[in-house]
Amino acid sequence: QQQVKQSPQSLIVQKGGISIINCAYENTAFDYFPWYQQFPGKGPALLIAIRPDVSEKKEGRFTISFNKSAKQFSLHIMDSQPGDSATYFCAAGGNEKLTFGTGTRLTIIP
Amino acid sequence: GAGVSQTPSNKVTEKGKYVELRCDPISGHTALYWYRQSLGQGPEFLIYFQGTGAADDSGLPNDRFFAVRPEGSVSTLKIQRTERGDSAVYLCASSPTGGWAGELFFGEGSRLTVL
Repeated sequence: QQQVKQSPQSLIVQKGGISIINCAYENTAFDYFPWYQQFPGKGPALLIAIRPDVSEKKEGRFTISFNKSAKQFSLHIMDSQPGDSATYFCAAGGNEKLTFGTGTRLTIIP
Repeated sequence: GAGVSQTPSNKVTEKGKYVELRCDPISGHTALYWYRQSLGQGPEFLIYFQGTGAADDSGLPNDRFFAVRPEGSVSTLKIQRTERGDSAVYLCASSPTGGWAGELFFGEGSRLTVL
């Protein structure tokens, strides 16, 4: 199975709040788990990535939590800002290919 | 240029026509990828080049799709006998080395509309 399931499809969070997006995968051969941010009319840009040998990675306001046994990982955005409003994609990598989730449209409201 | 450049940014064609989409990767990047993104979906892998050779073309949907990278830099995605279902944004990405040591840098894409 190559699917990566992402939820929620859309998310509205108040400024200063925590945004949480979840993903689940099935293929245990995946060994790289990035999150990409995409603004309208632009290509996806790497936000943060993790490998399965660690359970958490933090970069600034962005944190990935990874649960290898459950085959799940999530993105947490702390102190969410209006500039974070974008579509977020999780992905799972194996053999040079990334399999992307279906995306979460995040809207940060004042 | 500073980033991955894709041309044209928009292409409208008629069903049955031939289309070429071009990708200029970041200078020095040896790995180049093509993905396809349909409306409301995540990017879907098409093909991966390491240097001049296609290392993995398992994502190409059928034999109407073909891609080349003759000198290990610029790549062209070619679509023959276009169908309405080919309408999507075609994304190109490059990476310094391939593998997960380097991130993928995506271009802004070529939006293809088949009427």
